[in-house]
Amino acid sequence: DAGITQSPRHKVTETGTPVTLRCHQTENHRYMYWYRQDPGHGLRLIHYSYGVKDTDKGEVSDGYSVSRSKTEDFLLTLESATSSQTSVYFCAISEGWNQPQHFGDGTRLSIL
Amino acid sequence: DQQVKQNSPSLSVQEGRISILNCDYTNSMFDYFLWYKKYPAEGPTFLISISSIKDKNEDGRFTVFLNKSAKHLSLHIVPSQPGDSAVYFCAASAQVGNQFYFGTGTSLTVIP
Repeated sequence: DAGITQSPRHKVTETGTPVTLRCHQTENHRYMYWYRQDPGHGLRLIHYSYGVKDTDKGEVSDGYSVSRSKTEDFLLTLESATSSQTSVYFCAISEGWNQPQHFGDGTRLSIL
Repeated sequence: DQQVKQNSPSLSVQEGRISILNCDYTNSMFDYFLWYKKYPAEGPTFLISISSIKDKNEDGRFTVFLNKSAKHLSLHIVPSQPGDSAVYFCAASAQVGNQFYFGTGTSLTVIP
């Protein structure tokens, strides 16, 4: 299994609070991704990174920011959480662009 | 708008028989396709891929077929085993694009 750790695995928070999710990899892969999974939508890309300090937006980036200060860590931040951001969040990594991605086990985030 | 569709939310198959999971896409620029398997409380796991230059790719019990003219791909599992019970996602990307698009998933149950 690819070495991907997401933390926390579960979080409950209130509307308007900031939330940061962490993804840590031990594979030294260049590409890292954040997805959200919602019923009826499958997995949707939020942001991705193609190197340290190099990030770009995905399909559903509004309300989210990311940072990558080290190869192994990719952070997803909700500056002011809303109930519509209640979801399961997955981090993924890949060696190259347009190659199969390996996923972490997800973070279940509930915003009340 | 969903560019990758899995119109069957669920499928039940007897152990030993063939499982056929279907996926349709709308974007004619898609040229690389993947299937993932997902168990509850885990991240998706890459199963098999196919490039648009092929119409079939096989890996053990898993075969993916691609029909470009119909914008349709399918995953065949033969013989099906109880451990194959999971949610299966198809995903597609374009060489000139910047992300994978995922279907909404099909939940496969293999009955012993």
